[in-house]
Amino acid sequence: AQTVTQSQPEMSVQEAETVTLSCTYDTSESDYYLFWYKQPPSRQMILVIRQEAYKQQNATENRFSVNFQKAAKSFSLKISDSQLGDAAMYFCAYRSEGDSGGSNYKLTFGKGTLLTVNP
Amino acid sequence: EAGVAQSPRYKIIEKRQSVAFWCNPISGHATLYWYQQILGQGPKLLIQFQNNGVVDDSQLPKDRFSAERLKGVDSTLKIQPAKLEDSAVYLCASSPRGLAGVGVAFPYNEQFFGPGTRLTVL
Repeated sequence: AQTVTQSQPEMSVQEAETVTLSCTYDTSESDYYLFWYKQPPSRQMILVIRQEAYKQQNATENRFSVNFQKAAKSFSLKISDSQLGDAAMYFCAYRSEGDSGGSNYKLTFGKGTLLTVNP
Repeated sequence: EAGVAQSPRYKIIEKRQSVAFWCNPISGHATLYWYQQILGQGPKLLIQFQNNGVVDDSQLPKDRFSAERLKGVDSTLKIQPAKLEDSAVYLCASSPRGLAGVGVAFPYNEQFFGPGTRLTVL
């Protein structure tokens, strides 16, 4: 079974600064997806960024980028130019490649990192 | 495009009572998921439907939890009887991909989440 570990329960950053959230995972699979989700107090899970394991290039989405180290099974999220609206719970999640039957699409989440952005 | 709808948003019950949650996925999405998120933890999958069939319910406490997805659209998750440890947020999500060869326009088969239902069991 796959596991996802987020070792930082809480992080804080000054507005406009850069912060990195850590995530490690364990799997025996070679093809999979990794995600970072943001969950504000409204509870709605919002996809921030995704990474396909077969891609060596790190994914980027505007101010968000990842550092994907497949051999080390590490997947960190970097938030640049932090904004007050970035304050939320951030979850790292793993998903198998899936099969033709549609199973194994479930997401396995870490425990989350609470990010505070200070003005 | 409307998102995933869930109701109610909040529910408070006493232990041993019954409760039901409703989810309406994004139109056309073949796969529907129910996750349980206990305070301080990440969501955990309870059950996954593909159309109206169950794909994975390995972590569903079947002695008290049940779920159905009528006609492959809306879904209901029920707890009977509730225990204190069932206090959590229940998240519904849906994704487009169905059987092999369908949904190729959605290679990532991204899951879209609803706002969740916060259940408190007293």
